[in-house]
Amino acid sequence: AQTVTQSQPEMSVQEAETVTLSCTYDTSESDYYLFWYKQPPSRQMILVIRQEAYKQQNATENRFSVNFQKAAKSFSLKISDSQLGDAAMYFCAYRVNDMRFGAGTRLTVKP
Amino acid sequence: DSGVTQTPKHLITATGQRVTLRCSPRSGDLSVYWYQQSLDQGLQFLIQYYNGEERAKGNILERFSAQQFPDLHSELNLSSLELGDSALYFCASSALGSGQETQYFGPGTRLLVL
Repeated sequence: AQTVTQSQPEMSVQEAETVTLSCTYDTSESDYYLFWYKQPPSRQMILVIRQEAYKQQNATENRFSVNFQKAAKSFSLKISDSQLGDAAMYFCAYRVNDMRFGAGTRLTVKP
Repeated sequence: DSGVTQTPKHLITATGQRVTLRCSPRSGDLSVYWYQQSLDQGLQFLIQYYNGEERAKGNILERFSAQQFPDLHSELNLSSLELGDSALYFCASSALGSGQETQYFGPGTRLLVL
């Protein structure tokens, strides 16, 4: 069974600093897709970044980047220059057919 | 705004009742997914439809059913409701329903069963 583990229930970062959220997954598949979604207090699920497992290059979207380690089955999210608006729950997700989500990490940004 | 709409936003009902949640996918998207987000189970995939046909099934209870209509909107029917069915129900859509596609989520329907 494919499982997604986010080992940090809560994280805190100072505004303008950098924070890294961890995610590991378990799979026997070689071709799959990984996602980070953000869920602010509005509860809307917003895509932050995605990574194709066949790509060695780490995905980057503005201040958000990932560190994808396929052999280690690790997919961490780095947020640079953190802003107050980054405060949210962050979910890591894995997909071959259906989407599997981790339990989430609640990120607090301190002014 | 993802382009996916869900109605109603909030729903309060009693145990044993039946409710219907509605979802309209983004324009052009053929695939619709339903998810349940509860405090104890987290975010769980329920079911996927593609162009009117069921494509994949997840942890969907037998009391729950869904369908996708010719205009591509989808409905999730929840019957014989229990307290534990209280959750946020999301609909998401993607173009063709393949694993590589990004799913775009609607704002959710918050269901409270009393």
